[in-house]
Amino acid sequence: EVQLLDSGGGLVQPGGSLRLSCAASGFAFSSYAMSWVRQAPGKGLEWVCGVAGGPDSTWYADSVKGRFTISRDNSKNTLYLQMNSLRAEDTAVYYCAKGSLPYCTGVLCYEFDYWGPGTLVTVSS
Amino acid sequence: ETVMTQSPATLSVSPGERATLSCRASQSISSNLAWYQHKPGQAPRLLIYGASTRTPGIPARFSGSGSGTEFTLTISSLQSEDFAVYFCQQYNYLITFGRGTRLEIK
Repeated sequence: EVQLLDSGGGLVQPGGSLRLSCAASGFAFSSYAMSWVRQAPGKGLEWVCGVAGGPDSTWYADSVKGRFTISRDNSKNTLYLQMNSLRAEDTAVYYCAKGSLPYCTGVLCYEFDYWGPGTLVTVSS
Repeated sequence: ETVMTQSPATLSVSPGERATLSCRASQSISSNLAWYQHKPGQAPRLLIYGASTRTPGIPARFSGSGSGTEFTLTISSLQSEDFAVYFCQQYNYLITFGRGTRLEIK
């Protein structure tokens, strides 16, 4: 059974940092793309960043580029999101999600066949 | 960016009735569209991908249709467990989501 368990959320002050983790099990973790998707209060879902399976290739939304870093440790079946210089607008529930493919081919990407339950990040003073 | 517009924002339907949810893309996305069900406090669940292919284990009352820019998710006979928020996602040009349709009990 595929399981994704995201964790690490909490309350942080503007300008602060936080690292989210997503522990994966039940599938060949290194063979699939993984992403972080967030939902701010009252808003829709936003694809924040993604990392390909196999050779590292990453993608970031403009809203987080230069502040967030996605990484994966295939030996631990774990996905990470390092969030620096946090802003109030980063407040959201963050979900890790498994792509149905190893990577995007050009701009053609994939659906997410499994998601974690989400972890809440609140940026506030 | 490909903008996904879902309508209506909220849909009130009685159990046993049919629900029809719409999703429109700002440019053609072929059939590269997925639908998700999302209940509060739970992980989103993939229902449909490729616009019309049901994920294994999803009941047959869920069906998807459309291509290009217009897509529809139909739930043929609503069960109590179907009341939730439904999102569409395009993956033809990177990834973007619609804002969701909240399906509530009438």
